[in-house]
Amino acid sequence: DGGITQSPKYLFRKEGQNVTLSCEQNLNHDAMYWYRQDPGQGLRLIYYSQIVNDFQKGDIAEGYSVSREKKESFPLTVTSAQKNPTAFYLCASNPTGPNQPQHFGDGTRLSIL
Amino acid sequence: SQQGEEDPQALSIQEGENATMNCSYKTSINNLQWYRQNSGRGLVHLILIRSNEREKHSGRLRVTLDTSKKSSSLLITASRAADTASYFCSFTGFQKLVFGTGTRLLVSP
Repeated sequence: DGGITQSPKYLFRKEGQNVTLSCEQNLNHDAMYWYRQDPGQGLRLIYYSQIVNDFQKGDIAEGYSVSREKKESFPLTVTSAQKNPTAFYLCASNPTGPNQPQHFGDGTRLSIL
Repeated sequence: SQQGEEDPQALSIQEGENATMNCSYKTSINNLQWYRQNSGRGLVHLILIRSNEREKHSGRLRVTLDTSKKSSSLLITASRAADTASYFCSFTGFQKLVFGTGTRLLVSP
């Protein structure tokens, strides 16, 4: 079955450490997105990519980095510059752009040790 | 902020009752979408209504859109315990999909 796979489901970060969240899709979608979800605040866009080797900052990109070397993969790195990384991170994709419904993975919950 | 506002923040009903949740936004939109999120899971797309449509149905779901008031509502009829989830509206603003703050729905047996 086609879908989006996020891993790991739970991740713990030590102070000063970078961590990378994986997102893989086999839906043949061009566009991929990373969101951060905090309690009571809905989803906020971190980064998005509409084509391989190209990506744009969202509303809260500071302290995060991404790459899009393959169509299927859009990993997110939470750097040590992100001072409040504890959140639920969601990856999504859709065929060509924001006007279309997005398919979501089941998220990665990141916590600080 | 472009974020949409949803009302109510939380809603508790009995099985069989109808649930209505509302979404307001501030920008011009191309379409408005509704998503459901079960606890600890990703979002699932429910329905999309275009800016030139006023009402749309899908099974037990009914969505309305009033672009003059910049608001939308989602009605779930004959609710079931399995409908317990958070519901988010989303809309396209400045080439990005913007999400509302969500309504937490609890349906008790």
